[in-house]
Amino acid sequence: DVKVTQSSRYLVKRTGEKVFLECVQDMDHENMFWYRQDPGLGLRLIYFSYDVKMKEKGDIPEGYSVSREKKERFSLILESASTNQTSMYLCASSLLSPDQPQHFGDGTRLSIL
Amino acid sequence: GQNIDQPTEMTATEGAIVQINCTYQTSGFNGLFWYQQHAGEAPTFLSYNVLDGLEEKGRFSSFLSRSKGYSYLLLKELQMKDSASYLCAVRDRSGNTPLVFGKGTRLSVIA
Repeated sequence: DVKVTQSSRYLVKRTGEKVFLECVQDMDHENMFWYRQDPGLGLRLIYFSYDVKMKEKGDIPEGYSVSREKKERFSLILESASTNQTSMYLCASSLLSPDQPQHFGDGTRLSIL
Repeated sequence: GQNIDQPTEMTATEGAIVQINCTYQTSGFNGLFWYQQHAGEAPTFLSYNVLDGLEEKGRFSSFLSRSKGYSYLLLKELQMKDSASYLCAVRDRSGNTPLVFGKGTRLSVIA
């Protein structure tokens, strides 16, 4: 079974802090994704990566950056956390082939105070 | 633009059949996925359609009509554990492109 592991289930940070969310997958997937999920808004794509050191902006990249130094690890960085970044963050990975599904981690519920 | 529409909430009775609809207006089409998400948990993959017709997997089936921009997920013999959100997602271009997700349908199964 594919395993996508997010480093924290719950995280509380303060406004202005730099926040790192880590995601690791164990199935040698090329693609990795970061989403945020908010009530009434569904899943929104922040960034994705299809290879080491490659990144593409999603629908809502403002205020975020990402890092992919190794194939199995994809990090989401909140450069200066703000209260409107309080959300559930979900990481996913998939193979390159378009018929392959994305596999999701359990999510990190991030609260910015 | 891209738009994926699903009903926000549905309620159905244990043992019954329920159909969750998804309509999409996207610039292109290269496959549609259905996911199940229990409250507080990760979405899990249910089904994939790229050609017109019905795909059956046990109690769950998914149908696609590309000409109508329409899909549905059919759940038979409903169980309480089927209470969850169901997400429809479309790949709107060929190649390695991200999915576009609908906002999900929250299904409540009652006794």
